Amino acid sequence: QVQLQESGPGLVKPSQTLSLTCSVSGGSISRGSHYWSWIRQPAGKGLEWIGRIYISGSTNYNPSLKSRVTMSVDTSKNQFSLRLSSVTAADTAVYYCARDGEQLALQAVWGQGTLVTVSS
Amino acid sequence: DIVMTQSPDSLGVSLGERATINCKSSQSVLYSSNNKNYLAWYQQKPGQPPKLLISWASTREFGVPDRFSGSGSGTDFTLTISSLQAEDVAVYYCQQYYSIPPAFGGGTKVEIK
Repeated sequence: QVQLQESGPGLVKPSQTLSLTCSVSGGSISRGSHYWSWIRQPAGKGLEWIGRIYISGSTNYNPSLKSRVTMSVDTSKNQFSLRLSSVTAADTAVYYCARDGEQLALQAVWGQGTLVTVSS
Repeated sequence: DIVMTQSPDSLGVSLGERATINCKSSQSVLYSSNNKNYLAWYQQKPGQPPKLLISWASTREFGVPDRFSGSGSGTDFTLTISSLQAEDVAVYYCQQYYSIPPAFGGGTKVEIK
């Protein structure tokens, strides 16, 4: 059974770049026709889809964040990553990585999430 | 972009009673070529990630109790919990995956009355 685990700094300074990695275990990131997504959730608020990446490197980003988001995948490490530049306090949230359904943009398997706080 | 609107924001239901959550999309999520609604429901318990409950508007994921059911088509959808159990206390989200970006509703908090 595939499991996902987010990792990265829990505190990022304003204007800097947030960097997170999602490690996939229990199966190869290259197996199947899955996209791999990032979603975030500010405390007490709803869910916002950030974007997704395929093992080929093909990406889709939420237009609301597109100018600041970069995603990458490392199949040799069974990982994929998120970079969000020029962060502000509004980017403080729990960040989740997830595996999408086969060729579907729903999130079938989720990591536990990691809290990232933007503060000086 | 498609916008998802849920109602109510919160819902208090007695144990064993029915809970009904509504979800409306700003445009149809019914794909005519396969007659499928690209609508999912998630359950999020405190301190946990969301869990996919239902896809295709009405198809329960493996292991989801049959007291959970989804219905609707086009732009209007409903999640029903037929007999609320204590473990069903959670926030429920609908999501359209018809187009990018996939979008979530604002969530409905279900509590015990």
